[in-house]
Formats: sequence, structure tokens, C-alpha cells
Amino acid sequence: AQRVTQPEKLLSVFKGAPVELKCNYSYSGSPELFWYVQYSRQRLQLLLRHISRESIKGFTADLNKGETSFHLKKPFAQEEDSAMYYCALSGPNTGNQFYFGTGTSLTVIP
Amino acid sequence: DAGVTQSPTHLIKTRGQQVTLRCSPKSGHDTVSWYQQALGQGPQFIFQYYEEEERQRGNFPDRFSGHQFPNYSSELNVNALLLGDSALYLCASSLDAGRASPLHFGNGTRLTVT
Repeated sequence: AQRVTQPEKLLSVFKGAPVELKCNYSYSGSPELFWYVQYSRQRLQLLLRHISRESIKGFTADLNKGETSFHLKKPFAQEEDSAMYYCALSGPNTGNQFYFGTGTSLTVIP
Repeated sequence: DAGVTQSPTHLIKTRGQQVTLRCSPKSGHDTVSWYQQALGQGPQFIFQYYEEEERQRGNFPDRFSGHQFPNYSSELNVNALLLGDSALYLCASSLDAGRASPLHFGNGTRLTVT
């Protein structure tokens, strides 16, 4: 069965410190992985997707099929990165519906 | 472009009642999906509409039904409301491209069932 696990509900880091938000998944086949972000009082929005292999707002994420992980990383956290982050999975086996993790609330301490 | 718009923003209903939520997709998008987000949880897939038909359905009872109109807008109907239906209901639109297209979300409708 398809599943997305985000083990940390809350994560706090100091400004300028590296940050890593963990995401593990289960899926048979080739999944498509996404990170969505929700800033305070804003709607849920796409941050990045693995097939783009691009860096958005300094964040990167690498799909590791061996470890079935898609961790989100940023070398130097900024205060404006404080938000709720959701990892999501989709693909042909899911009928292109999205499965979301429970989210990680990131707080960057000034 | 206003993006995905949902109405109403908040709604309070009594157990047993029926509710209709509305969604207009982002301009150019033809696919609408509905998600339920309970407190402290990630969004859970309810169903997806494409070409005015339900294309995919998640693990939700038949009390949850929907509709898509020719202009791609959509409605979510919930009958016989239960206390457990209290949640944020998110509409997301996408462009059908034969693979997982990124979802664009609305601000959601907060439903409270008393």
C-alpha cells in the first residue's frame, strides 16, 4: 500500500543552521514525490518535485529509491522558512491521486 | 489569475444535515480533486473529477459525492453529517497530463459539525 511517513511533527532550528525534514515512503514502482509548504495564513503550495531536480528557495530534495526516502534539505535556514511542510507521493499505481504525510512544522529561531 | 477559489470559507452544520461546498479551479486546469484534512493530519484524498466524471475515489463512504460542471468548477456534497466530518476541506485543481500533475490548492472550507 502507498504510504508517506514524516517522523517529525515539530522541528526547531536556529537561523543559519542546516535543516533536514525527513520523508519516507512505500510504493510499488516508480513514484513521483513532492514537497508542499504552507506558510502562516496562506494556502498549501508546491515547493518542489523530484523530477524537476531544481532548488527552490534554497531547498533541495533527492529521491533515494534504495532507502525509499525523499528528505528535504537546506544548508542555511532562514526565519521565513518557518512553515508547515508536507511530503506527498503520487504515480500510476495510485491513479495519480496524492498521498500526503502528516506534516512537519518547522520553526526557525532567530 | 485568482487561482483556486472555494466557498464558503467557514460552515457550521448540525449532525444529520447535508452540506455543499464549491470550488472553481485555476484558469486552464481541467481536473479537480477534493481532500479532507483533519486537525493535525495531512490531506486525505476524497475523489477526483475530470470531464464531469468521477475518475478516482479514495476511502470515503457514499455519503460523500461530487459533481463537476462544464466550466470545470466542482461541488462536494456530504449527506447525513457526522461529528467526525468536521475538518478542513481542500479543493485542488490540476491539468490532466496523463501523469501526476502538481496540485494547486484553494484556501479550503472549514466545516464544523455540532
